Amino acid sequence: GAVVSQHPSWVICKSGTSVKIECRSLDFQATTMFWYRQFPKQSLMLMATSNEGSKATYEQGVEKDKFLINHASLTLSTLTVTSAHPEDSSFYICSASGGREKLFFGSGTQLSVL
Amino acid sequence: AQSVTQLDSHVSVSEGTPVLLRCNYSSSYSPSLFWYVQHPNKGLQLLLKYTSAATLVKGINGFEAEFKKSETSFHLTKPSAHMSDAAEYFCVVSRFGNEKLTFGTGTRLTIIP
Repeated sequence: GAVVSQHPSWVICKSGTSVKIECRSLDFQATTMFWYRQFPKQSLMLMATSNEGSKATYEQGVEKDKFLINHASLTLSTLTVTSAHPEDSSFYICSASGGREKLFFGSGTQLSVL
Repeated sequence: AQSVTQLDSHVSVSEGTPVLLRCNYSSSYSPSLFWYVQHPNKGLQLLLKYTSAATLVKGINGFEAEFKKSETSFHLTKPSAHMSDAAEYFCVVSRFGNEKLTFGTGTRLTIIP
């Protein structure tokens, strides 16, 4: 079946550095990808929606200059957390949509900022 | 606008007994409804989905859910719990299938041996 690959699965970084997370659709073309954030013991909150070749649409309260999203191809979207701080520590998860009946989630990335 | 409420943050059942995870939704249109499962340190896996077809939806691993419009509910059930069912379960609503998903706060299911 369709698979969405997300890397890395976990990352630890120093405060002030940037971290890039990749989300790839392995056997289908993802016209739309979604990025979510999940804090401990809370639900997933949508951060942004990205469509291939266009700028991402960010949800209210999400800083677009801090969370850079690039969806350069139909199989790859990246989320870059710039100048990360401890409060950015969270579980980030992507999902890829290849059409009405195709929506798959990545395995997530646990980010810890020291 | 759409929202979903999972009525129980934590449910514990004994292995072999029935499972019931409750979900109520609010939507100003005909919604699509989903149940996802998340095992520790893993991504989300779709259990089942309702998209205006049959109101009783059968999913993977023996789970099923019934869409009740009059009660605005979409409860998840399984006749007999297995140890491998222990996980976090999310009820999700969206307007059109893969459009913006709104997640419930989750229900942690614990299976007692």
